[in-house]
Amino acid sequence: GAGVSQSPRYKVAKRGQDVALRCDPISGHVSLFWYQQALGQGPEFLTYFQNEAQLDKSGLPSDRFFAERPEGSVSTLKIQRTQQEDSAVYLCASSLQSGGETQYFGPGTRLLVL
Amino acid sequence: QQQVKQSPQSLIVQKGGISIINCAYENTAFDYFPWYQQFPGKGPALLIAIRPDVSEKKEGRFTISFNKSAKQFSLHIMDSQPGDSATYFCAAGGEYNAGNMLTFGGGTRLMVKP
Repeated sequence: GAGVSQSPRYKVAKRGQDVALRCDPISGHVSLFWYQQALGQGPEFLTYFQNEAQLDKSGLPSDRFFAERPEGSVSTLKIQRTQQEDSAVYLCASSLQSGGETQYFGPGTRLLVL
Repeated sequence: QQQVKQSPQSLIVQKGGISIINCAYENTAFDYFPWYQQFPGKGPALLIAIRPDVSEKKEGRFTISFNKSAKQFSLHIMDSQPGDSATYFCAAGGEYNAGNMLTFGGGTRLMVKP
């Protein structure tokens, strides 16, 4: 079956530009996570959705970051007025249940802010 | 505060040898400890996971050893193969937080020489 997909796979943005990153989780998965992975580092948690409800956004680094999952399936991570320090790989993961343990990751979107 | 510390950062092993990667955690509320494998340009993929009620779990060539009192766990890869060359991440999670979000270690880049 299809895994988690993300688009675009690569995005180059000029500093100050807004970007939107898309995540298509595995069909039927209740939980959806966004992580940020800096070069050579482990992923760091950004935010968590249970269906359409955003239950935890404690990892979002600033108010320029916004995420939504309006219908409980596809999610979008939006970054406004991008800065160079936003350059990273943004990973999306989903799991079957609320509090479900196994998280399935997408391939990520590599964002480069110039 | 880095809650999951991973070592070594890089590891070179001969084909057929044993690869050992170690992690230590601080938060005693963690109760789920997965290991993920990541190839360049791909998202992390779950390799094996353990809960603290057992001290060891083996799946094929991969074994997790867990020491609850020391707050440490390790991954052993037996009969290491060149195809195992990848970056490995330990992680920790728990139902104490919404959705069981994961806290990752910094990663270990493994190279298995033929």
